[in-house]
Amino acid sequence: QSVLTQPPSVSAAPGQKVTISCSGSSSNIGNNYVSWYQQLPGTVPKLLIYDNNKRPSGIPDRFSGSKSGTSATLGITGLQTGDEADYYCGTWDNSLSAWVFGGGTKLTVL
Amino acid sequence: EVQLVESGGGLVQPGGSLRLSCAASGFTFSSYWMSWVRQAPGKGLEWVANIKQDGSEKYYVDSVKGRFTISRDNAKNSLYLQMNSLRAEDTAVYYCARVGYGSSWHFDYWGQGTLVTVSS
Repeated sequence: QSVLTQPPSVSAAPGQKVTISCSGSSSNIGNNYVSWYQQLPGTVPKLLIYDNNKRPSGIPDRFSGSKSGTSATLGITGLQTGDEADYYCGTWDNSLSAWVFGGGTKLTVL
Repeated sequence: EVQLVESGGGLVQPGGSLRLSCAASGFTFSSYWMSWVRQAPGKGLEWVANIKQDGSEKYYVDSVKGRFTISRDNAKNSLYLQMNSLRAEDTAVYYCARVGYGSSWHFDYWGQGTLVTVSS
């Protein structure tokens, strides 16, 4: 059972927008920055968003991040079949003194 | 170009030991925190440990405390994970990851991973 809660799966049609939620608590998301990772099938995880809403160079602006209270959200617009992947949120947990990941969300582009 | 190359994985019996290595290149290794993150077959990501630039601070997930030790050799641009008293539940792909600069920790570069299988 992950400290951060993500929906197991989401789906949307090509060209549409999807959001993936990440719910935590005051000991993690509520008082720390969140990052998001994309893991395409059979590949290594890749940083998508850090510090809640910053994109590393090379990440298209179709990907966005936001945080409100103890929840964070990853948004993806203009969905492409190549976006089909597992997405993970992560942050530091002050109570555990440990980094925690969400359980992951599988995105299907129908 | 940042490169992280893990090695040392393999098949080990329960209770055994293994030492993973990660060779870093393309950046000033001694300037970055480094991490190990693992992924059990078909499962999600699990952070294992972090180490500060000079090795003076280390953090571990509870499930490996007292069994695993993270270390580094800045002269060799290398990160290590000594794993003792291995259990079946430690079976996973182990990734070496660089902790990026920003307002908080995040993992900006990842190696290809090395598979550790704990089985009799």
